[in-house]
Amino acid sequence: GAGVSQSPRYKVAKRGQDVALRCDPISGHVSLFWYQQALGQGPEFLTYFQNEAQLDKSGLPSDRFFAERPEGSVSTLKIQRTQQEDSAVYLCASSPREDRLDIQYFGAGTRLSVL
Amino acid sequence: DQQVKQNSPSLSVQEGRISILNCDYTNSMFDYFLWYKKYPAEGPTFLISISSIKDKNEDGRFTVFLNKSAKHLSLHIVPSQPGDSAVYFCAARTGGKSTFGDGTTLTVKP
Repeated sequence: GAGVSQSPRYKVAKRGQDVALRCDPISGHVSLFWYQQALGQGPEFLTYFQNEAQLDKSGLPSDRFFAERPEGSVSTLKIQRTQQEDSAVYLCASSPREDRLDIQYFGAGTRLSVL
Repeated sequence: DQQVKQNSPSLSVQEGRISILNCDYTNSMFDYFLWYKKYPAEGPTFLISISSIKDKNEDGRFTVFLNKSAKHLSLHIVPSQPGDSAVYFCAARTGGKSTFGDGTTLTVKP
């Protein structure tokens, strides 16, 4: 079956512009995660959903970042008034079960460049 | 403060030999430890995990060892193959939140 799909793969934004990044998890996967990966670093946790409920958003760096998963499937990460420090790869992952959150399947990511 | 550290940015080994990748952590509340492998332009791929109540988990050529007293874990790959060349990330989990190290680039030479 299809893996985790993220779109767009690349996004160039002007500073101050709003962007929306989409994640299509593997069908039937209960849990969904967003990460931010800066160049040369490991992924950093942003937020986590179980079905449509956002259970942890402690990693969102500011109130300019907002994530939603209204029907418990597709998720969108929105960044308002983008800044240069928002430039990174944004990774989405999904997990099939609530009790084995370690098995996360990652998408290829969206590379965001803010000019 | 970085709660998960991979102190070796790179490692080079000969094909057929053992690769040992190391990871240190500081938070005693982590309940699961994981290793991911990443090729360029792809997302990380789950490799192997270990619960905090165990000290060893094995899956084929991959073995993860956990030393809780030292807050240290390692990934052993035996025998190493050229296809194992990738970036390896160590991660530690509490609840739904995973904390990653910065990765070690493994190069396996034929």
